[in-house]
Amino acid sequence: DAGVIQSPRHEVTEMGQEVTLRCKPISGHNSLFWYRQTMMRGLELLIYFNNNVPIDDSGMPEDRFSAKMPNASFSTLKIQPSEPRDSAVYFCASSPTGGYGLGEQYFGPGTRLTVT
Amino acid sequence: KNQVEQSPQSLIILEGKNCTLQCNYTVSPFSNLRWYKQDTGRGPVSLTIMTFSENTKSNGRYTATLDADTKQSSLHITASQLSDSASYICVAGGGNKLVFGAGTILRVKS
Repeated sequence: DAGVIQSPRHEVTEMGQEVTLRCKPISGHNSLFWYRQTMMRGLELLIYFNNNVPIDDSGMPEDRFSAKMPNASFSTLKIQPSEPRDSAVYFCASSPTGGYGLGEQYFGPGTRLTVT
Repeated sequence: KNQVEQSPQSLIILEGKNCTLQCNYTVSPFSNLRWYKQDTGRGPVSLTIMTFSENTKSNGRYTATLDADTKQSSLHITASQLSDSASYICVAGGGNKLVFGAGTILRVKS
């Protein structure tokens, strides 16, 4: 298996532009997580899907952020409009089991976003 | 307040030496404790996952311990290698949340 696939790996955009990050989870996994990592705040959970349904979006910073999972093999995280403080590495992770229990999470390589 | 504190923030050791990383958590309810290794420029990789009833779990040269009474966990690395240089992240889980520590940056030098 190729593991969790994220695209693009790097994104540089100007403030105010729309940014879309993409994730393909591991086949057969029913849970998907989006994380953001910065030096200041470390790793933060943004949103968690189970069976394509958003279960917990309490970590989404504000209305500029939205996430979708139209099917079991694809998810997007969109930022509109983007701001310089959104600059971070965004990780997608998938898990074969649901919830915050003992399910192993497999992380993708991340997308490094720079907003100028 | 739910939080995870890790110490030290960073650590430098010589190749072949052992080291121990610490994690204190205040998460309620609590059900599991995870340790991740994150190489520079890559996503975190799971090392161990322990339930509240487990005291120790090993993964090769990595051994994690958990004391649910004192709310402390440690990650012991035996006979360190250059490839152990990474950030190590402690995560406490329970209920409907995962709480992440800031990580310990380990550098192993020859």
